[in-house]
Amino acid sequence: AQSVSQHNHHVILSEAASLELGCNYSYGGTVNLFWYVQYPGQHLQLLLKYFSGDPLVKGIKGFEAEFIKSKFSFNLRKPSVQWSDTAEYFCAVNARNIGNTGKLIFGQGTTLQVKP
Amino acid sequence: DVKVTQSSRYLVKRTGEKVFLECVQDMDHENMFWYRQDPGLGLRLIYFSYDVKMKEKGDIPEGYSVSREKKERFSLILESASTNQTSMYLCASRAQDPTGELFFGEGSRLTVL
Repeated sequence: AQSVSQHNHHVILSEAASLELGCNYSYGGTVNLFWYVQYPGQHLQLLLKYFSGDPLVKGIKGFEAEFIKSKFSFNLRKPSVQWSDTAEYFCAVNARNIGNTGKLIFGQGTTLQVKP
Repeated sequence: DVKVTQSSRYLVKRTGEKVFLECVQDMDHENMFWYRQDPGLGLRLIYFSYDVKMKEKGDIPEGYSVSREKKERFSLILESASTNQTSMYLCASRAQDPTGELFFGEGSRLTVL
């Protein structure tokens, strides 16, 4: 069965610091990879996704992620965080199955707190 | 805008009661999902429906069942609620494209006493 692991549960950074959140998945077949963000009191929303091509993908608000197939990883990065990036971040993997489009499995989430 | 509507924002039920959580989407999406969100555990998939009357178990289906009689509606049923089912329940929908974005409802916070 597929699974997603986020190693950092709670990260505290000062503004302008660089961010890297780890995400590893286990699944041997074709995957699509996502990062979602949940700002306090809001819905989850898509930050970025990878489905093919360039393994370095760029998303909204200056975020990017790199897919490293050999390491089964999809880490999220941002060179300089802002106070408004305070949120919970979820890595997710869609493993495609024969007969349907597959189900989206999420990691445990990482709470990011940015101090002004 | 895509809209995913969950019928109840807050529910309080007693142990042993039957609970229905309803979800309706207005974008003709084929795929619908039910997750529960708990602190430190992230979102865990309960059930997934990839078409009308088609369903697949997620990671934690025990104690839950689902119904998808119409494309726009996906219901989660707790046959006999227990205290360990106290949680935030999130419904989401997606078009058939597996690379597509999931659109979430506002969530239903269920407390089982």
